Amino acid sequence: GAVVSQHPSWVICKSGTSVKIECRSLDFQATTMFWYRQFPKQSLMLMATSNEGSKATYEQGVEKDKFLINHASLTLSTLTVTSAHPEDSSFYICSAYSGEPYEQYFGPGTRLTVT
Amino acid sequence: GQNIDQPTEMTATEGAIVQINCTYQTSGFNGLFWYQQHAGEAPTFLSYNVLDGLEEKGRFSSFLSRSKGYSYLLLKELQMKDSASYLCAVMDSNYQLIWGAGTKLIIKP
Repeated sequence: GAVVSQHPSWVICKSGTSVKIECRSLDFQATTMFWYRQFPKQSLMLMATSNEGSKATYEQGVEKDKFLINHASLTLSTLTVTSAHPEDSSFYICSAYSGEPYEQYFGPGTRLTVT
Repeated sequence: GQNIDQPTEMTATEGAIVQINCTYQTSGFNGLFWYQQHAGEAPTFLSYNVLDGLEEKGRFSSFLSRSKGYSYLLLKELQMKDSASYLCAVMDSNYQLIWGAGTKLIIKP
């Protein structure tokens, strides 16, 4: 099956700093990538939809200036959490979608802890 | 609005069979997915149904009735490693996944 990688797998940062998370589709081209956030014991919450070469579409309540998304190529999307605060501590997961409805593959996730 | 409902938690015995139900109301329908998620890990794909009926894949089967807005995931010959959360998700008309809150399945020896 298709493989999606995320880097880093976990990161600890200080409040006020920025953190960049990379999502890569390793063996296929992803027309669309999705960024999710998951708090403990809760389901996945879609943050934004990232399309290669265009601006990301953010879900209601997600600050686009705080969560910067760049989808520079068909295999790479990045999420930058700017001026991170402890409440941003969460599990961030990306998924890559090649176009067929059933072909959406998840990365392993990035656990962010802001101290 | 869009809504996915599934039980919060279920308990079953090792070796037994368990059925996890999911009902949905969404804007359009492009398929229903079941994912397994172990604690601290990303979801892994289990099944995809877009037509009515039963799809069988080893110990796992998934059923869909589009007219009823209903699906279930059937797990047979339960093993301890099946203890996880099972997420039901529907792909809407915009090809976005609408997620249920997940069903935590606890397997007891």
